[in-house]
Amino acid sequence: DGGITQSPKYLFRKEGQNVTLSCEQNLNHDAMYWYRQDPGQGLRLIYYSQIVNDFQKGDIAEGYSVSREKKESFPLTVTSAQKNPTAFYLCASGGTSSGYNSPLHFGNGTRLTVT
Amino acid sequence: RKEVEQDPGPFNVPEGATVAFNCTYSNSASQSFFWYRQDCRKEPKLLMSVYSSGNEDGRFTAQLNRASQYISLLIRDSKLSDSATYLCVVTDSGGYQKVTFGTGTKLQVIP
Repeated sequence: DGGITQSPKYLFRKEGQNVTLSCEQNLNHDAMYWYRQDPGQGLRLIYYSQIVNDFQKGDIAEGYSVSREKKESFPLTVTSAQKNPTAFYLCASGGTSSGYNSPLHFGNGTRLTVT
Repeated sequence: RKEVEQDPGPFNVPEGATVAFNCTYSNSASQSFFWYRQDCRKEPKLLMSVYSSGNEDGRFTAQLNRASQYISLLIRDSKLSDSATYLCVVTDSGGYQKVTFGTGTKLQVIP
């Protein structure tokens, strides 16, 4: 079955450590996205990538880094520079077809807790 | 003005009621529109796309008004399982698929 897989589902880290969240999709989508969601809040865009080896900052990119070496993969690193990293992280992918933008598909999310 | 605005709610309705949500967007060039559903502590899931002519899927009806720049979602005969947060999503054309999410409207269906 096609879909997006995020791992791990829960992640615990000590303050000051970098951590990488995995996101893999087999939907053959060109675009991939990382969002952050805090309790009771909406989704905020961290980074997005339209094609392999290219990515752009979203609204809250500070303290995060990404890579897009393969079409299927878009890992997100939360660095020690991110002041409030504890959050729910969602990866999504989407493609375009017939001139219209197709809806985004989301992974199950990774809940990161930093203490 | 926010790019996509929704009433955060919560909307508390009895089972069987009809409830409507509205969402306004600021970019008149926006191309595609969607409603997503998000359950507590889960990822958003596509509920339905919104087409210019309006569209229906069972108890759910979506409408688009480009002139007034809003979309709506109508839920008839509400079920307890409809309790969730409903997100309005707008996509624009351009160098990439710019996707903007509303902050969501919370619905609680009461027995």
